[in-house]
Amino acid sequence: DAGITQSPRYKITETGRQVTLMCHQTWSHSYMFWYRQDLGHGLRLIYYSAAADITDKGEVPDGYVVSRSKTENFPLTLESATRSQTSVYFCASRTGLAGAYEQYFGPGTRLTVT
Amino acid sequence: GENVEQHPSTLSVQEGDSAVIKCTYSDSASNYFPWYKQELGKRPQLIIDIRSNVGEKKDQRIAVTLNKTAKHFSLHITETQPEDSAVYFCAATPGSNYQLIWGAGTKLIIKP
Repeated sequence: DAGITQSPRYKITETGRQVTLMCHQTWSHSYMFWYRQDLGHGLRLIYYSAAADITDKGEVPDGYVVSRSKTENFPLTLESATRSQTSVYFCASRTGLAGAYEQYFGPGTRLTVT
Repeated sequence: GENVEQHPSTLSVQEGDSAVIKCTYSDSASNYFPWYKQELGKRPQLIIDIRSNVGEKKDQRIAVTLNKTAKHFSLHITETQPEDSAVYFCAATPGSNYQLIWGAGTKLIIKP
């Protein structure tokens, strides 16, 4: 589990501010994912990436931007934070090996937008 | 696209009894079905998974069954213990798609 880390772990920001959540994995996994988990709810996919420089939208991409210039990093940026983006954000990764579907999750970032 | 429904949303069982959580999926091409456990304030972690060519898989007190015809799969926990209290998520991977489509989660409460 130490192979995938997120920073910061906690963040409080104001409405309208830009904030970037970092995700780093040391396994050289091809695939990386960003989820949000609202209190009492399940996991909703924001963006995913199949490899460096390849990203695509998930279920709830509006208001978010991602990039992946290096395999190990997958930052998520909230361009202009809104209160509705208050949530716990999880990054996950998985290998690109055929048939290996398990996703490994980071510890999460709890974001509060005031 | 794939849709995964999970029931019940909350399950309360007496310690030592069994717990069963059920999920249904819509895409017959789905071929991988994991179950994740999320303890309070922690990350989701895989506890067991099953592939479409297998009907049942066990790991100590945990088992998963898959019925491809009916398109549903279930998590069975026997001899429940306090540490089993958590939220459990099912998911499915449709075909060659690398995404996981998630159920809404079941909060399992183990009563002492």
